[in-house]
Amino acid sequence: AQKITQTQPGMFVQEKEAVTLDCTYDTSDPSYGLFWYKQPSSGEMIFLIYQGSYDQQNATEGRYSLNFQKARKSANLVISASQLGDSAMYFCAMREEGSKSTFGDGTTLTVKP
Amino acid sequence: GAVVSQHPSWVICKSGTSVKIECRSLDFQATTMFWYRQFPKQSLMLMATSNEGSKATYEQGVEKDKFLINHASLTLSTLTVTSAHPEDSSFYICSAILEGRDNQPQHFGDGTRLSIL
Repeated sequence: AQKITQTQPGMFVQEKEAVTLDCTYDTSDPSYGLFWYKQPSSGEMIFLIYQGSYDQQNATEGRYSLNFQKARKSANLVISASQLGDSAMYFCAMREEGSKSTFGDGTTLTVKP
Repeated sequence: GAVVSQHPSWVICKSGTSVKIECRSLDFQATTMFWYRQFPKQSLMLMATSNEGSKATYEQGVEKDKFLINHASLTLSTLTVTSAHPEDSSFYICSAILEGRDNQPQHFGDGTRLSIL
């Protein structure tokens, strides 16, 4: 069964606007971590933001914030004030305690000038 | 921060050649490293988990004899694609995590683009 679901294969956003990338997950483990990574066309995987299952507040890192809705099992990434350099593929991932990570299929974000 | 170095970045070689890819953790010890394969516009597919001093754990459907993994030290894991053929052409990427740190992200190498002619 798919543990991480990213329903948006591709997204477009106008420069300087905000965009939300969706991610839902499935687990019965009470302890888990949720991660977002960015992969530009050059291929490297860049860590963006982390949310722990027990964290009370939504994680934020600069222009990135994570809209964590535990009951809905969703962990959407919000990018504010989009920049041309944000154009990339974005992956949501989950790691249950002591286990290996599971990645979603990714969302390709294109920022329009 | 933690850094993982992967070499080479690009490999182009003839069919039948064996290719070795190195993954090094530069400033931390990694008892566990992961090897992924990625096709264009697709997700990372876990091939195997590399364990220092023991045999790698391969995912279902991954040929152990085709993709040899060696994790001889706490800072180095290697993936050897034996007798490579055009269908092995892909992007290979390794990663490591700090042990006992479930809240830490995976640290990825920059990946290796393998092209078999």
